[in-house]
Amino acid sequence: GIQVEQSPPDLILQEGANSTLRCNFSDSVNNLQWFHQNPWGQLINLFYIPSGTKQNGRLSATTVATERYSLLYISSSQTTDSGVYFCAVKLGPYSGGGADGLTFGKGTHLIIQP
Amino acid sequence: DADVTQTPRNRITKTGKRIMLECSQTKGHDRMYWYRQDPGLGLQLIYYSFDVKDINKGEISDGYSVSRQAQAKFSLSLESAIPNQTALYFCARILAKKADTQYFGPGTRLTVL
Repeated sequence: GIQVEQSPPDLILQEGANSTLRCNFSDSVNNLQWFHQNPWGQLINLFYIPSGTKQNGRLSATTVATERYSLLYISSSQTTDSGVYFCAVKLGPYSGGGADGLTFGKGTHLIIQP
Repeated sequence: DADVTQTPRNRITKTGKRIMLECSQTKGHDRMYWYRQDPGLGLQLIYYSFDVKDINKGEISDGYSVSRQAQAKFSLSLESAIPNQTALYFCARILAKKADTQYFGPGTRLTVL
């Protein structure tokens, strides 16, 4: 099946810092989503971004589908940004099909210190 | 996502017991999913359903069964719970018929002793 690798696995930053999280995937995809899992376990949708660039406030994301990677940018970090960030993908129609669900990476654990 | 409800939110049970986790969504959309999350890992797909009569296995369906009682309800059962099924379980739905974005419920934390 498709492989999804996220880096770095852990990241500790001071409040106000910027960060870049990376997601590499091993096959062509037609769905890529970024999620934030907060300390209470809730999964919050950040972006649906199979290709291109999107921005939402201090967060932005870019997916280069032809090179099989996506980046999540967090600017001016706040303590509330702490948690685990997941990238999840679904195979494209020409990649052998497979289940309809998402395949998740193992996440980047982000800690923002005050 | 407020439109996906999961019950119970927490459950502790014993090995060998039958457990049902329930999921409801208010929009009546077709596709619904069950995932599990083990500590320190991403989510893995257990089952998914396109509609009441179309249910499909995901990558880790062994030991689980599902029921799509209605368009808005999708239940996950553990026929005989075992300790390595201790995990956080999430239900998800798509937002709209032609969209592909999955939205997740609040999760059920299950502990099997």
